[in-house]
Amino acid sequence: QQQVKQSPQSLIVQKGGIPIINCAYENTAFDYFPWYQQFPGKGPALLIAIRPDVSEKKEGRFTISFNKSAKQFSLHIMDSQPGDSATYFCAAINTDKLIFGTGTRLQVFP
Amino acid sequence: DGGITQSPKYLFRKEGQNVTLSCEQNLNHDAMYWYRQDPGQGLRLIYYSQIVNDFQKGDIAEGYSVSREKKESFPLTVTSAQKNPTAFYLCASSTGRKKAQYFGPGTRLLVL
Repeated sequence: QQQVKQSPQSLIVQKGGIPIINCAYENTAFDYFPWYQQFPGKGPALLIAIRPDVSEKKEGRFTISFNKSAKQFSLHIMDSQPGDSATYFCAAINTDKLIFGTGTRLQVFP
Repeated sequence: DGGITQSPKYLFRKEGQNVTLSCEQNLNHDAMYWYRQDPGQGLRLIYYSQIVNDFQKGDIAEGYSVSREKKESFPLTVTSAQKNPTAFYLCASSTGRKKAQYFGPGTRLLVL
């Protein structure tokens, strides 16, 4: 119940494509859902986050869609660029702990 | 410049040796966290602290110890009891419970 399941494990798109990363959870006590972007050898950087009372949130080219009844949320990257190539982690917060998904390695080719 | 600093960037541990990883933040955050990341995997919580002089075990605390004597500092010691310490260690901080966590640049620990 404490898990966050993330898919796909890896994703390859061409420049301009819209990669979509999906996450699912079981614990309805989770109430904050951040996404992190991590480049090799660097710490994860907070990208965008959403609370379950909101169905969609946009920040620049990044959009989170949230389906509370299905207990699923996803990250869309509009007009993807080679510089977006990184590993993306979804996460969920329950009281003190941040529970991470297993990550999606995104490669965007020119 | 506000942020989280971790040092050193690379650390080498000899067999039977304890090593300490530094984490400092000047964001005035109350909560601090230590995670371990193995290659190609997600992050696992080692220890966390919501307030000075108090900390709790995470999911993989065995072989590690921490202290929180100052709000801005949360050092992690990898003891000789940790038999597989090679990993990327990440420190994070947040303003409190159910708030976004911000990460430092990480320390890569290698065993000689």
